[in-house]
Amino acid sequence: DVKVTQSSRYLVKRTGEKVFLECVQDMDHENMFWYRQDPGLGLRLIYFSYDVKMKEKGDIPEGYSVSREKKERFSLILESASTNQTSMYLCASSHRGWYNEQFFGPGTRLTVL
Amino acid sequence: SQQGEEDPQALSIQEGENATMNCSYKTSINNLQWYRQNSGRGLVHLILIRSNEREKHSGRLRVTLDTSKKSSSLLITASRAADTASYFCATFMIKAAGNKLTFGGGTRVLVKP
Repeated sequence: DVKVTQSSRYLVKRTGEKVFLECVQDMDHENMFWYRQDPGLGLRLIYFSYDVKMKEKGDIPEGYSVSREKKERFSLILESASTNQTSMYLCASSHRGWYNEQFFGPGTRLTVL
Repeated sequence: SQQGEEDPQALSIQEGENATMNCSYKTSINNLQWYRQNSGRGLVHLILIRSNEREKHSGRLRVTLDTSKKSSSLLITASRAADTASYFCATFMIKAAGNKLTFGGGTRVLVKP
C-alpha cells in the first residue's frame, strides 16, 4: 500500500521559531511537493522537487525553504514562523511522467501563535 | 487567481441522489484530475481525464471534459453518506519550468442519510 507520511498531524509554534515539517514517501517517487491549504483559497503550491537536491519554487515560496537530501524525504522549513503561516500543510509525491497523479500525506495543521 | 474554479462551492443532497459539480479553467491543459478530501485529511486521487478524452467512468463516478469550453464535470451517482467530502479539480500542464498540478477551491458535498 502506497504511503506518504508527515511527521506531525498537529503542531503549535511561536512567532519567530524555526519550524521543520518532514515528509517521507515509500513509493520511490521522483517528484515531491509541498502545498498549503487555506479556507477559500484551495491548495497552493509552495515548493516542489524533481530529484534529490533539486528544488523549484511554486506559487507562494516566500517565507519558506525546502530540503531534499534523500529521494524519499522532502522537508519544508519555515525559517522564522509568522502568524500568517498558520495553515494546513500537505505533502504529495508522484512518479516522473506525463500523468502526474499525486499521492498525498495526511497533512500537518500548523498553528503559529 | 486559481486555474480551476469549482461550482457550486457547497452541495447538500439526500443519500441515493446524484451529485454534480463543475470545474472551469483558463488555459490549455494536458489532463484534468479530480481528488476527494475527507475532513481534515489528505487528498485522494479519484479519476484522471486526458485532454483528448470527452468522458470517463470509474465505478459511480462519471467525468466529462469539454476543452472548447474549458470545463469539466464530476457526477457521483447514487450517493452515500461516505461520499461526504470536499472535491477538487486539478489541471495538469506541461511547462518548461516543470510539470505541476493546479488545484481549484473545491466543492463541499454533504450527503444526508
